[in-house]
Amino acid sequence: GNSVTQMEGPVTLSEEAFLTINCTYTATGYPSLFWYVQYPGEGLQLLLKATKADDKGSNKGFEATYRKETTSFHLEKGSVQVSDSAVYFCALSGGTGGFKTIFGAGTRLFVKA
Amino acid sequence: DVKVTQSSRYLVKRTGEKVFLECVQDMDHENMFWYRQDPGLGLRLIYFSYDVKMKEKGDIPEGYSVSREKKERFSLILESASTNQTSMYLCASSLYSKTGQGGNQPQHFGDGTRLSIL
Repeated sequence: GNSVTQMEGPVTLSEEAFLTINCTYTATGYPSLFWYVQYPGEGLQLLLKATKADDKGSNKGFEATYRKETTSFHLEKGSVQVSDSAVYFCALSGGTGGFKTIFGAGTRLFVKA
Repeated sequence: DVKVTQSSRYLVKRTGEKVFLECVQDMDHENMFWYRQDPGLGLRLIYFSYDVKMKEKGDIPEGYSVSREKKERFSLILESASTNQTSMYLCASSLYSKTGQGGNQPQHFGDGTRLSIL
C-alpha cells in the first residue's frame, strides 16, 4: 500500500540556517503530495502541495519539488526563523488510494535565536 | 477561510463513560475525517465519511463509532471509554474533487481535542 517516510527529528537549527526535511513515498498511480505544519497547541495546516511530477510547491519561503524518479518531496527553506519551530508532516493522497491521506510520522523542528 | 471547529479543546472523562466529540465545518465539504495523534505514532485514521450518513472504517476503528446526520457535522463516539483512548483527537474536512481521484484536495483541520480518560 501507499506509505510516506520522513526523517526523524528533532531537528535543531540556529536562526537563518538552511533547512531540509527529507520525505520519500511509495504509491501506485499518480498521487498528490503535501506538507503540513502543526504549531504548538494547534491542528495541522497546509503548508504547500504539488499535484504532479516536477511541480514545485511553495509558501512562506518553504519549497518542495515532486520528484517522481526518486519518489521524493523534500522540504527546504533558505533561512529559518524562530517562528518556524513546529512539527512538519509530509503526506500523500490520491492515486489508487483515493482521497484518504497518508501522513508521515512528523519531524519536529526547533529554531534557536 | 475554511473553519473546522471541534467542540472542546480539553476533555476529562471516566472509564466506561460514553463520550461524544463533535466537529463542524463551514465550507460545505463532502469529506470528513477523525484522527488520533499520539507521540511517536503520528496521525492514525479512525473513521471517515464522504457523504451524509456514509461512513468508512479507517485504520483503527475499534472502540469508536461515528455519526454524520448533516453534511457539516461529524461526530466521534467512544462507546465505553478506556484509558488507552487517552489521546489528541483531530477532525478534518476536504472538498471532493473529480480529478486526481479526489485526492488532490488538502485537508483542513480543527485545533484538536485533548481527551483524558481516568
